[in-house]
Amino acid sequence: QVQLVQSGAEVKNPGASVKVSCKTSGYTFSGYYIHWVQQAPGQGLEWMGWISLNSGDTKSAQKFQGRVTMTRDTSISTAYMELSRLTSDDTAVYYCARDHGWHWGQGTLVTVSS
Amino acid sequence: QAVVTQEPSLTVSPGGTVTLTCGSSTGAVTNGHYPYWFQQKPGQAPRTLIYDTNNKHSWTPARFSGSLLGGKAGLTLSGAQPEDEADYYCMLSSSGDDWVWVFGGGTKLTVL
Repeated sequence: QVQLVQSGAEVKNPGASVKVSCKTSGYTFSGYYIHWVQQAPGQGLEWMGWISLNSGDTKSAQKFQGRVTMTRDTSISTAYMELSRLTSDDTAVYYCARDHGWHWGQGTLVTVSS
Repeated sequence: QAVVTQEPSLTVSPGGTVTLTCGSSTGAVTNGHYPYWFQQKPGQAPRTLIYDTNNKHSWTPARFSGSLLGGKAGLTLSGAQPEDEADYYCMLSSSGDDWVWVFGGGTKLTVL
């Protein structure tokens, strides 16, 4: 079955960057897109962007443009999301999800604190 | 970018029926928006219940169904169970070249 396993929790200083990984299995990696979603504490879901696992093309939400970088490594069926210039507002759980039915990872908590 | 609207909260009696709706600021929601519905319980990742308006996953309980109604996407729960108490989010895709996705603000469903 489709599985997405994300990297563990991170604590970062303001101004730093964080890179979250999303290892996939159970399907042919390259045929899909991976989406990234942010959920701040007690808040709703916010779509951040997608990456085509086939071409590497990306599209990000206006809010995150210039700060988010999405990449993938097809050799290990893993997608990555890097968010730069972190502030306390970026403290959140970050999810990856594979399209065509949206299969979700378990989430990665990123805490931004000095 | 479209704003996607949902009821902030709804209450349903056990065994009852409720419909959650999902509207778009750009106009009527259609199949071309590929409406999705997600369920999220406290401390858990979201779970996809419905995709592409009315398609279910193997894990989607039969009591949940998706539809289009009155220019909105709808999620109907027929025969509510206590375990259905959760937050429900809809998501719509923009059509055209952008392929931007937008979540609604979520509906907190209480089974009481």
